[in-house]
Parts: sequence; structure tokens; C-alpha cells
Amino acid sequence: AAGVIQSPRHLIKEKRETATLKCYPIPRHDTVYWYQQGPGQDPQFLISFYEKMQSDKGSIPDRFSAQQFSDYHSELNMSSLELGDSALYFCASSYQTSGGAAQYFGPGTRLTVL
Amino acid sequence: AQKITQTQPGMFVQEKEAVTLDCTYDTSDQSYGLFWYKQPSSGEMIFLIYQGSYDEQNATEGRYSLNFQKARKSANLVISASQLGDSAMYFCAMREGRGNAGNMLTFGGGTRLMVKP
Repeated sequence: AAGVIQSPRHLIKEKRETATLKCYPIPRHDTVYWYQQGPGQDPQFLISFYEKMQSDKGSIPDRFSAQQFSDYHSELNMSSLELGDSALYFCASSYQTSGGAAQYFGPGTRLTVL
Repeated sequence: AQKITQTQPGMFVQEKEAVTLDCTYDTSDQSYGLFWYKQPSSGEMIFLIYQGSYDEQNATEGRYSLNFQKARKSANLVISASQLGDSAMYFCAMREGRGNAGNMLTFGGGTRLMVKP
């Protein structure tokens, strides 16, 4: 079965640079979520989109922005990168039924900021 | 206050034995969902099982079952017949509300399970 695709899988950036992470949801899934997992921590919710509209917003820094496109893929744009942004970034997708839609996670993008 | 609490940072289990991973939650919503995810050392997050707050029966998926005790606000994961490949970090997570599109998951701190041969 098709899974969530994230690219790139690994990314190394310098402080103050920008980064763009891409997410391709499972076919027919209409909702995309972004999570950040620091070393040894649990995932923290950043932002979500349903039908290309922002749905929920968590602890996403103002330096980050995201959007969902007409083909349902999503991009997370990160600017003025800081050392503390080094983390595993997950994208997840779901298909919104009447309730209980499980979020299926991609393999993650490991971002290292030097 | 923590919304999801996993009190066991690490656990050992003998291969082929059953193991229970604890999870308690805190919410004032009547409608919510509880999830368990497995994160192997490779890093991916694998969905295991889901329990809705209105589900009367405990959820089961193969060797995984969820012991849901609503009054005690607990949602423990039971893994039967442990295998070496079950060694991983396990996260309990909650979605509050009616499951509207885009509702976030809140995760617990995780339990690292190690299966001994």
C-alpha cells in the first residue's frame, strides 16, 4: 500500500539559512499534519491542513510557514534556521471520515542545523 | 497538566510473553480518540491501534489490543506473544474533539520496550 512520502530524507543546513520540506500524502487523503520531534522527545504538533485550508495550529514558530497545494501535497518552509530547529520532521496524512481518522506518518525528514 | 502520561520509561519483556504498556490521559471532552504508535530505532512512526471514546468494545489489531478503561482514563496497550521485532519506542497519543479535520495529536513521553531472546 502507498505510504506518505517525504523529501528530502536528510537535510543539513547552516544557521540563518532556509529549508523547504515536502510531503506527499497517501492517495485520496485530504488532510496533512506536520510534527517536529526533537532528540529523545515526543512529537510536537506544528500545523495541519484540510482541503488546502489551514485547520489547526500548534507550536509553530513564526519563522516557519506551510501550505497545502491543489494536488494535496504540502510544503513546510523554514527560514532563519537556528540550532534548536535540528529535529526529525514528520508529515502525516489522514482521510476525514465521520470520526477517528488515524494519522499515517511518513518516514520523516531529519534536519540538522550547523 | 500532562494530557498523556506514560509512566514506564523503559521495559523488558521475554520473547513470546505478553506485555502491557500503560497510558493515562486527561481531557474534559466527551468525544476523543486514543492512538498507539510504534517508533523503531530507524525513526518512522507506525500506527498500531485506535480506540474511540464511544467505542464500547476494546480495540484489537492482530497481536495488539487496547485495554480501555474510560472511568479510570486509561488506555493501555497489550502486546501478546512478544517478538524481537517489537523492540521499539511506543507512544500513546490522544485526539480531542469530534475528529474534525486536522485535529492534532498530543503524545505521551513514550515507553521504550526491549524484547529479550
